[in-house]
Amino acid sequence: SQQGEEDPQALSIQEGENATMNCSYKTSINNLQWYRQNSGRGLVHLILIRSNEREKHSGRLRVTLDTSKKSSSLLITASRAADTASYFCATAFSNDYKLSFGAGTTVTVRA
Amino acid sequence: KAGVTQTPRYLIKTRGQQVTLSCSPISGHRSVSWYQQTPGQGLQFLFEYFSETQRNKGNFPGRFSGRQFSNSRSEMNVSTLELGDSALYLCASRSTSGTNTGELFFGEGSRLTVL
Repeated sequence: SQQGEEDPQALSIQEGENATMNCSYKTSINNLQWYRQNSGRGLVHLILIRSNEREKHSGRLRVTLDTSKKSSSLLITASRAADTASYFCATAFSNDYKLSFGAGTTVTVRA
Repeated sequence: KAGVTQTPRYLIKTRGQQVTLSCSPISGHRSVSWYQQTPGQGLQFLFEYFSETQRNKGNFPGRFSGRQFSNSRSEMNVSTLELGDSALYLCASRSTSGTNTGELFFGEGSRLTVL
């Protein structure tokens, strides 16, 4: 079963706009990670936020974590066509790094 | 550094056959994990190996097995293939050194089609 649930399932935006997607999970976590997957390819790690952190930035990415609500959000600013991909949140319960992935959000950036 | 390498990239098998998939992790990474990705179930954890020992196992039947060699390369095997085993099988490695951030590095996957 999947621990994380992403919302929305799909998102279509214009180039230059921001894209926001959310992830909710069910149990306490050690950390939460976001990954990107281009069609039919492997996953690429984007950012990791630990359970004691509330916000993290990496380039055009901003991730927030609210452990009281068991939710996280990923914001991609000034989107580009190359950001078209599926985005997955993944939760780790302990330091064993067995990740539970959500169903993903498919983002389409229109030129 | 070379990335995670998975072979073969594509393969077609028939029901009842068995398949072996191979994964070479990033040099220096001793932990290798396997995930199954299907449209219906999404990404599901299969197992993780570290220093030739299976440390974690997901909720898959015994037909799914794996192993890791002394050079950290890993193989997974699926016996008595079923149609539902058609999936993208992803291998991921991670550093277990003091600088480990928990990040997984994924290969491009092996796409298995069972007819």
